[in-house]
Amino acid sequence: GAGVSQSPSNKVTEKGKDVELRCDPISGHTALYWYRQSLGQGLEFLIYFQGNSAPDKSGLPSDRFSAERTGGSVSTLTIQRTQQEDSAVYLCASSLEIPGHQPQHFGDGTRLSIL
Amino acid sequence: GESVGLHLPTLSVQEGDNSIINCAYSNSASDYFIWYKQESGKGPQFIIDIRSNMDKRQGQRVTVLLNKTVKHLSLQIAATQPGDSAVYFCAENAGSNYKLTFGKGTLLTVNP
Repeated sequence: GAGVSQSPSNKVTEKGKDVELRCDPISGHTALYWYRQSLGQGLEFLIYFQGNSAPDKSGLPSDRFSAERTGGSVSTLTIQRTQQEDSAVYLCASSLEIPGHQPQHFGDGTRLSIL
Repeated sequence: GESVGLHLPTLSVQEGDNSIINCAYSNSASDYFIWYKQESGKGPQFIIDIRSNMDKRQGQRVTVLLNKTVKHLSLQIAATQPGDSAVYFCAENAGSNYKLTFGKGTLLTVNP
């Protein structure tokens, strides 16, 4: 597709379950980012991928969060043993990775609700 | 720590008027700025960006102004339309750090 695609668009799960969120970036974009947006809040950076490697994982809130990217394309964000405070919209973005700053383009997010 | 903030959490304008949304940033090393528009249930949509070697950039109906002296950024929307109603975020980036730092957003409401 033309834009960043995320799935599922909505996810409701019970506390303690594991969840996996998927992001398919814009074709040709080598940089990929995960952010989290809580109700009424701005976007909180989680992790950044350059190709398949993650040079910046500084935003992951705990060791229950992990992410991977394979083939320089699709990325998955996994949350283990989910807690209620994990409820948020998880947004993925991608950008070109050429010299100079490039705008990040976002998907519509996965709305995660932990019961 | 560094932060990006917005002066006005809400802004209400009449259709056809010009809108100005303001943003203050605190990181003097920031050299790239972006404005995003976010509609309900959607992800942030890129509007316009500006690098620190510029003080003004124009797009279609939008203009971004950057004042590095006072660390202030603004988004001007000309002839505001009901479809412009959304939350607007400014974001900043410093040097080779790819991480964007976002403000909390301003809700723009356009009254017909």
